[in-house]
Amino acid sequence: EAQVTQNPRYLITVTGKKLTVTCSQNMNHEYMSWYRQDPGLGLRQIYYSMNVEVTDKGDVPEGYKVSRKEKRNFPLILESPSPNQTSLYFCASSYGTPNTEAFFGQGTRLTVV
Amino acid sequence: KQEVTQIPAALSVPEGENLVLNCSFTDSAIYNLQWFRQDPGKGLTSLLLIQSSQREQTSGRLNASLDKSSGRSTLYIAASQPGDSATYLCAGRGRSGGGADGLTFGKGTHLIIQP
Repeated sequence: EAQVTQNPRYLITVTGKKLTVTCSQNMNHEYMSWYRQDPGLGLRQIYYSMNVEVTDKGDVPEGYKVSRKEKRNFPLILESPSPNQTSLYFCASSYGTPNTEAFFGQGTRLTVV
Repeated sequence: KQEVTQIPAALSVPEGENLVLNCSFTDSAIYNLQWFRQDPGKGLTSLLLIQSSQREQTSGRLNASLDKSSGRSTLYIAASQPGDSATYLCAGRGRSGGGADGLTFGKGTHLIIQP
């Protein structure tokens, strides 16, 4: 089954404790992105990757890191999480051509206390 | 930069009604427009994808239309059911959207179908 898989689905952590949210897709997609969703603000893009070893900042990259060492994986790293990073996070993927559908993971609910 | 607006922000209707959700975008140079459904605290489920060359797409009781010239898309839900209650998001994909996938999202319409 074609899918984007995020782990964990839920995470509660403390301020400053490094964490990684994993994202994997099995569709051989070139493009992958991370979004965060907050009430009243909608979905905002954090980072994106157009292919292996090619990443770039989205609209709200501060406090996050990403890497794309393999085509299927695109982990999101919070080196020193803060409470303002409490949010619902989504990973997305699509083929590297414009007229294609974007697929989203099931989301990761992160709470930083 | 692309901006996507969804009206209304919230809608509550009795079961069985036909309804229309609206999505407008400022940059008509989109490749496609995608409608999603999101249940509370859950992921995004893709409902319909309309390519820029298409006028509409249908899936079951759902019909989505696209008018690039006016910068509008609508999602029509026929014979609404309580199970249709969710937040509906539209996203335009184009050159002036976010990086890589170029998706710009609206903030959604929160739909409640009353039994």
